[in-house]
Amino acid sequence: DGGITQSPKYLFRKEGQNVTLSCEQNLNHDAMYWYRQDPGQGLRLIYYSQIVNDFQKGDIAEGYSVSREKKESFPLTVTSAQKNPTAFYLCASSISSGATGEQYFGPGTRLTVT
Amino acid sequence: GDSVTQMEGPVTLSEEAFLTINCTYTATGYPSLFWYVQYPGEGLQLLLKATKADDKGSNKGFEATYRKETTSFHLEKGSVQVSDSAVYFCALSDQKGSQGNLIFGKGTKLSVKP
Repeated sequence: DGGITQSPKYLFRKEGQNVTLSCEQNLNHDAMYWYRQDPGQGLRLIYYSQIVNDFQKGDIAEGYSVSREKKESFPLTVTSAQKNPTAFYLCASSISSGATGEQYFGPGTRLTVT
Repeated sequence: GDSVTQMEGPVTLSEEAFLTINCTYTATGYPSLFWYVQYPGEGLQLLLKATKADDKGSNKGFEATYRKETTSFHLEKGSVQVSDSAVYFCALSDQKGSQGNLIFGKGTKLSVKP
């Protein structure tokens, strides 16, 4: 079955450590996205990538980094510079950005930093 | 910039009641409009969409009509079930450049009681 996988589902880290969240898709989509979800805040865009080896900052990119070395993969690193990293992180993909905009989401990773 | 405003929740209904969740938007150009649903602990699933004015999106008994004159895309269902309990997000596709990124409302939590 085609889809988006995120791992792990729950992640715990100590403050000051970098952590990388995995996102893989087998939908052959060109565009991929990372969102952060906080209670009552909706979804906020962290980074997006329209094509391999290219990515752009979203609305809240500070303290995060990404790479897009393969079409299928778009890992997100939460660095120690992110002041409030505890949140639910969602990865999404779409056929291409600039189309109808329909995005497909993974199951999410809940990150807790103490 | 573009934005989406949803009615605040939570919304609590009895089974078989009529549901309306209001959504209005501000956008330049002609965005596509979406409703996504998120069940507890999961990612978002596309519920329905409309790509131009007067289009009606529908799925699983839910409907929403793209109203350009009132800049609205209200979600309706004639008879809700307990299984409809979830958070519902209205979204529009950002038409800046050709990015096609999604802008989300803050979500409306629906609880349906038996």
